[in-house]
Amino acid sequence: DVKVTQSSRYLVKRTGEKVFLECVQDMDHENMFWYRQDPGLGLRLIYFSYDVKMKEKGDIPEGYSVSREKKERFSLILESASTNQTSMYLCASIQRGTSLYEQYFGPGTRLTVT
Amino acid sequence: SQELEQSPQSLIVQEGKNLTINCTSSKTLYGLYWYKQKYGEGLIFLMMLQKGGEEKSHEKITAKLDEKKQQSSLHITASQPSHAGIYLCGADPISGNTPLVFGKGTRLSVIA
Repeated sequence: DVKVTQSSRYLVKRTGEKVFLECVQDMDHENMFWYRQDPGLGLRLIYFSYDVKMKEKGDIPEGYSVSREKKERFSLILESASTNQTSMYLCASIQRGTSLYEQYFGPGTRLTVT
Repeated sequence: SQELEQSPQSLIVQEGKNLTINCTSSKTLYGLYWYKQKYGEGLIFLMMLQKGGEEKSHEKITAKLDEKKQQSSLHITASQPSHAGIYLCGADPISGNTPLVFGKGTRLSVIA
């Protein structure tokens, strides 16, 4: 059974802390994505990666950075957490290069910054 | 940039009733995806539509793609409490590997 796993389901951090959200997929997918989901705003893309050590900014990259040192792992980093980064964070991966593909999502991490 | 508009934003139906959720794109659709999200959890892929007129079904859920209208509809027959959740549509902005664009979701509640 294919899986995208995220390191935590729930996380509470304080303002100013450095936060790491980890995502691991076991499907050998090239493409990986980080989204945040907020009520009334839907899913918004933060960063994505097409390959190891490769990253591209999405729609709302400010305040975030990412790391992809290995194909299966894509990390989202909040350098200095702020209360407006309280959100649901979703990681996803996609197989590249085929006409039919599905985007697999992790279960999400609900982050609260106090 | 492409935008997907879903309607309605939220929906409450009585168990056993049929319902339809629509997803309309501001640009040409090259692939349309439907996902379901249970409250507070990640998204689960339901189905993908690629060709105009294509229709797919999964259990009691049917999705159709109208290329000319740049629209997809998701229809649930004889709704059950297990159908409750948030339904999102996603689309490829262009053919290829660019990230998906998502609608804001439709929150479905099914009451007994």
